[in-house]
Amino acid sequence: GDSVTQMEGPVTLSEEAFLTINCTYTATGYPSLFWYVQYPGEGLQLLLKATKADDKGSNKGFEATYRKETTSFHLEKGSVQVSDSAVYFCALSDRTGGGNKLTFGTGTQLKVEL
Amino acid sequence: DTGVSQNPRHKITKRGQNVTFRCDPISEHNRLYWYRQTLGQGPEFLTYFQNEAQLEKSRLLSDRFSAERPKGSFSTLEIQRTEQGDSAMYLCASSPIGSLSYEQYFGPGTRLTVT
Repeated sequence: GDSVTQMEGPVTLSEEAFLTINCTYTATGYPSLFWYVQYPGEGLQLLLKATKADDKGSNKGFEATYRKETTSFHLEKGSVQVSDSAVYFCALSDRTGGGNKLTFGTGTQLKVEL
Repeated sequence: DTGVSQNPRHKITKRGQNVTFRCDPISEHNRLYWYRQTLGQGPEFLTYFQNEAQLEKSRLLSDRFSAERPKGSFSTLEIQRTEQGDSAMYLCASSPIGSLSYEQYFGPGTRLTVT
């Protein structure tokens, strides 16, 4: 079945540092890929998405590129801020058969310190 | 429209009691999903509706769980004879008509604690 593997956290960075959170996936079809973010005490928010190979999703300074050859969708940001502290989830939606459920990774907690 | 809403936000119940949660999706979304999230894990899919039809159910959805979406608008998730292992955050999401990327928009969740 479909699965998503994320790097374990917590990841602790200083403000303005470069961020990479690794995500790889296994899917039988041609999935859409997503990053969701969960800030403390809040619900899941869609951060960015990509629907096909080589697509780059971007939002709020975050980027991720859909790499079919390496089945990866790593999240990057050039300069993190304290306000980016949250849990980040990589997810896929396999469009085969209607593209319904999302399959999530276990999440990576990011802590950004001054 | 302010997004997906869920009620109640928190529920504490004793083992063996029944509980019901409600989800109101974004108004123009015809797809509605339920997920369960336990501490330190990502959300796990429970079930999915397109309009009023329940099209898919996870093996996680035991016979104590039932979900409905009677008029294709709001949905309810009922857990009968709750067990301590049911303690989790229950998330609802909706998805717009004709979305080619199948992104889903989540509500704030209902946190269930079974004592």
